[in-house]
Amino acid sequence: AQKITQTQPGMFVQEKEAVTLDCTYDTSDPSYGLFWYKQPSSGEMIFLIYQGSYDQQNATEGRYSLNFQKARKSANLVISASQLGDSAMYFCAMSPNFGNEKLTFGTGTRLTIIP
Amino acid sequence: DAGVIQSPRHEVTEMGQEVTLRCKPISGHNSLFWYRQTMMRGLELLIYFNNNVPIDDSGMPEDRFSAKMPNASFSTLKIQPSEPRDSAVYFCASSLGGYRGRASEQFFGPGTRLTVL
Repeated sequence: AQKITQTQPGMFVQEKEAVTLDCTYDTSDPSYGLFWYKQPSSGEMIFLIYQGSYDQQNATEGRYSLNFQKARKSANLVISASQLGDSAMYFCAMSPNFGNEKLTFGTGTRLTIIP
Repeated sequence: DAGVIQSPRHEVTEMGQEVTLRCKPISGHNSLFWYRQTMMRGLELLIYFNNNVPIDDSGMPEDRFSAKMPNASFSTLKIQPSEPRDSAVYFCASSLGGYRGRASEQFFGPGTRLTVL
């Protein structure tokens, strides 16, 4: 079974600062995929970034980067130069087969950007 | 591309009534997922299909829930009879699927907010 843990229920960050959202995972699968999704107050789920368990380099997508530390089983999301529009719920998730199977989600972190 | 389409966006019904949620995945995607989101349980997978075939329905709460995918462009999630504890946001998602080593993120629809009175 797979498990995702997000220990920060809420975070407040000043606009333009960088923010790190924590995510740890547990799995016995040798290969897996890690994902981050954003859920604004409007409710939709927006895919942000993906990291494969065999990827040697950390994934980056614009202002988003994933700090992947396999030995520690952590996959933290880093948002650089935060913006007011970054205020949302952020969910870490994993799947056992590079995204072709079900996602197991964490409980989420509510990020609020302060102007 | 239109993205994943779900209908209705909101549904209010009375306990005991049948509810049918609909989903049209992104054209060309071969995997389809139904999730439920509640405050108490968070986001949880109900069932997923690959090439229209149900692969894992272990998350379906009970026999009152059923899902079908008659073709590659349409899926339904039915609750009969509905109960107040079924109130939640139901998301449909689709993905290209893939092979090991290639990412295949899931694209979510806008969700259906179900309220059972």
